[in-house]
Amino acid sequence: DSGVTQTPKHLITATGQRVTLRCSPRSGDLSVYWYQQSLDQGLQFLIQYYNGEERAKGNILERFSAQQFPDLHSELNLSSLELGDSALYFCASSVVGTSGSTDTQYFGPGTRLTVL
Amino acid sequence: AQSVTQLGSHVSVSEGALVLLRCNYSSSVPPYLFWYVQYPNQGLQLLLKYTTGATLVKGINGFEAEFKKSETSFHLTKPSAHMSDAAEYFCAVSPKWDSSASKIIFGSGTRLSIRP
Repeated sequence: DSGVTQTPKHLITATGQRVTLRCSPRSGDLSVYWYQQSLDQGLQFLIQYYNGEERAKGNILERFSAQQFPDLHSELNLSSLELGDSALYFCASSVVGTSGSTDTQYFGPGTRLTVL
Repeated sequence: AQSVTQLGSHVSVSEGALVLLRCNYSSSVPPYLFWYVQYPNQGLQLLLKYTTGATLVKGINGFEAEFKKSETSFHLTKPSAHMSDAAEYFCAVSPKWDSSASKIIFGSGTRLSIRP
């Protein structure tokens, strides 16, 4: 158990819909990262938040957005869903995650999103 | 731009045999290097990482990896495979001196199977 929790575990929805994935980082971790894992694209970094502010952006679509709240939990919002958005979405957290840092990222168990 | 290549999407070894999973990176400056393991239906777990110092890095579960700058490689080894090692393994790199230093790039993964 990494200490990172994600809800829900599974999500099934239809095209065009909007969903919210939730992540609670390990106690004391300030950084939260979101990743997408799919068969065709592999594991891709989406976005990182550090202490409530966006820190780094990866291959995140404009239809996707995220935020980190004062209690440090994070939500990933996916809208206008397409079939190709079906994937496993991971959240990870680390203590700091700032430039030059080497702290370890701890991954949650993931949310499996299926878009029908 | 950085990239990471894992040679062999699937590796199969006999129980007790040597495990060798290959990883090569491309970067103008040696990056931070990581190996993660993903067991079925679980998130990623850090096996080991190289930042600076000793080029032979020991990780959990008997795994180790050696950073070879001249070969731009970071191959993962284990002297004797165990059935419980069956999983997907990801090599990853992260830039050292970048404002988005936490943006980690994952390889495409190598599925390790263990034959009884």
